[in-house]
Amino acid sequence: AQSVSQHNHHVILSEAASLELGCNYSYGGTVNLFWYVQYPGQHLQLLLKYFSGDPLVKGIKGFEAEFIKSKFSFNLRKPSVQWSDTAEYFCAVSSSSNTGKLIFGQGTTLQVKP
Amino acid sequence: GAGVSQSPSNKVTEKGKDVELRCDPISGHTALYWYRQRLGQGLEFLIYFQGNSAPDKSGLPSDRFSAERTGESVSTLTIQRTQQEDSAVYLCASRKGGDTQYFGPGTRLTVL
Repeated sequence: AQSVSQHNHHVILSEAASLELGCNYSYGGTVNLFWYVQYPGQHLQLLLKYFSGDPLVKGIKGFEAEFIKSKFSFNLRKPSVQWSDTAEYFCAVSSSSNTGKLIFGQGTTLQVKP
Repeated sequence: GAGVSQSPSNKVTEKGKDVELRCDPISGHTALYWYRQRLGQGLEFLIYFQGNSAPDKSGLPSDRFSAERTGESVSTLTIQRTQQEDSAVYLCASRKGGDTQYFGPGTRLTVL
């Protein structure tokens, strides 16, 4: 069965610090990969996605993620976080060949201190 | 245009009662998904609708859970004889073609 593992459950950073959130998945076939973000009081929204092509994907608000197939990983990065990045971050996977249903990791709560 | 909407935003019910949750997808979105997020956990897939095809019910946790969707419009998720472990945020998402899933605000269900 597919599964997604996010290594960090709660991360606290100061503004301007660099961010890397780990995500590993378990699935033998071709996958689509996503990072979603939920800001306090808001809907879950897409940060970035990888379907194919360049494994380094750039998303909104300066975020990027790198798909490393050999490591089954899709880590999220940002060089310099801002207080407004405080949110919960979810990594998700879907199989390229199925219904598009998403398998989510448990989420990482990021708290950025001003 | 409007996003995905869900109602009610909050629902408190007593153990053993039935509840019905509603999702209005984005107009023109043929695919609709229901997910559940229990406290401290990630989202779990429940059910998927695509047009008039048979739904993928593989994520429904028990036969107390059912969902309906008429064509490409509103969907309702029904939980019969609610249990305390059903307490969660229930999220609906819709999608057009192979594009991104857009999520609604969720319904927070509390079973006392």
